[in-house]
Amino acid sequence: EAGVAQSPRYKIIEKRQSVAFWCNPISGHATLYWYQQILGQGPKLLIQFQNNGVVDDSQLPKDRFSAERLKGVDSTLKIQPAKLEDSAVYLCASSLSKTQYFGPGTRLLVL
Amino acid sequence: DAKTTQPPSMDCAEGRAANLPCNHSTISGNEYVYWYRQIHSQGPQYIIHGLKNNETNEMASLIITEDRKSSTLILPHATLRDTAVYYCIVRAPYNNNDMRFGAGTRLTVKP
Repeated sequence: EAGVAQSPRYKIIEKRQSVAFWCNPISGHATLYWYQQILGQGPKLLIQFQNNGVVDDSQLPKDRFSAERLKGVDSTLKIQPAKLEDSAVYLCASSLSKTQYFGPGTRLLVL
Repeated sequence: DAKTTQPPSMDCAEGRAANLPCNHSTISGNEYVYWYRQIHSQGPQYIIHGLKNNETNEMASLIITEDRKSSTLILPHATLRDTAVYYCIVRAPYNNNDMRFGAGTRLTVKP
């Protein structure tokens, strides 16, 4: 069974630029999550989708972050404009029931 | 905030058992204990979970105290590839977005 796929794996941008990350969950998993992991900390949930609807986006900085999950499968997370403090690993996870399965993450560096 | 307390780091000799403790004194009756680990530059990987009985799978064993206020993850024969950050998380089974990661325990397996 293929795992959660994410791309790109690494991205370097300058502050105020825009960036987008892509996630393809495990086939059949209705729930998809985006997490932000700052160096030295555990992952923090940004947004949760159930199929193509948002379940929880209370921790998403909506002035600069947006996410969508068209057709209830793939998802994209966008940052516009990026700030220095957005440097982190962005993890995508999916689940069928209770257990979440994570992708390898996208490491973002904002200069 | 995470509902668990873990030591920041531990060492273990290769081939020996690694016992990783976790305190969760405020755990509710319907909350499960989950363990994930994160190897460097990878996403978190599910290890095991339990409610009140001890659990074992091909990766590890989970021992939960009778009062459920603490637990121990046991890797019976640690290898160098078990070097990772281990996260203990408590969550209700119906609340799939309540995955609050703390800083975890950095386990270093030494030859």
